[in-house]
Amino acid sequence: EVQLVESGGGLVQPGGSLRLSCAASGFTFSSYWMYWVRQAPGKGLVWVSRINSDGSSTSYADSVKGRFTISRDSAKNTLYLQMNSLRAEDSALYFCACIRAGHWGQGTLVTVSS
Amino acid sequence: QAVVTQEPSLTVSPGGTVTLTCGSSTGAVTSGHFPFWFQQKPGQAPGTLIYDISNKYSWTPARFSGSLLGGKAALTLSGAQPEDEAEYFCCLFYSDAAVFGGGTKLTVL
Repeated sequence: EVQLVESGGGLVQPGGSLRLSCAASGFTFSSYWMYWVRQAPGKGLVWVSRINSDGSSTSYADSVKGRFTISRDSAKNTLYLQMNSLRAEDSALYFCACIRAGHWGQGTLVTVSS
Repeated sequence: QAVVTQEPSLTVSPGGTVTLTCGSSTGAVTSGHFPFWFQQKPGQAPGTLIYDISNKYSWTPARFSGSLLGGKAALTLSGAQPEDEAEYFCCLFYSDAAVFGGGTKLTVL
């Protein structure tokens, strides 16, 4: 059974940092590009970042460029998102996804508030 | 960054047919945008229905189909069921970014 399980969300003050993790199982994690997608309450899906299969190439939405870093550890089958200089507008449910294979996690909630 | 547009809401009768579209601010949607379609029900994570315009996953109900139509990506639901009431998002891929549409809230009524 394919599973993507996110963790690491929580309440953080503006300017703070969080590191999200996504543990993958049930498929060949190292073969696929992986994505982070976020969704603010009551809003649509927004692409945040992606990383290629071997981790050598990354890209980011303009809104997070320079503040967020995506990475992966294929030995641990885990995807990460390091989020720095967090802003209120970063508050959302963060999903990890293997979009091409059709797999999504259940999300981890990030709330940025003082 | 490109903007991807979808109808905000649509209504279909049970058993009826409806087409949702997905347009790009940069021009016609092509196979090079690798259009994806997702379904999301309240309180749930998205589920992927269609990839690369028209390809289905093993779990995609046969009543869903994807195509290119009039310069847009399209998702057609033929024989709508009550359980198809949901929000539908498309996603297009550009050179180094993915862009989601704003979503279409589909009501089956």
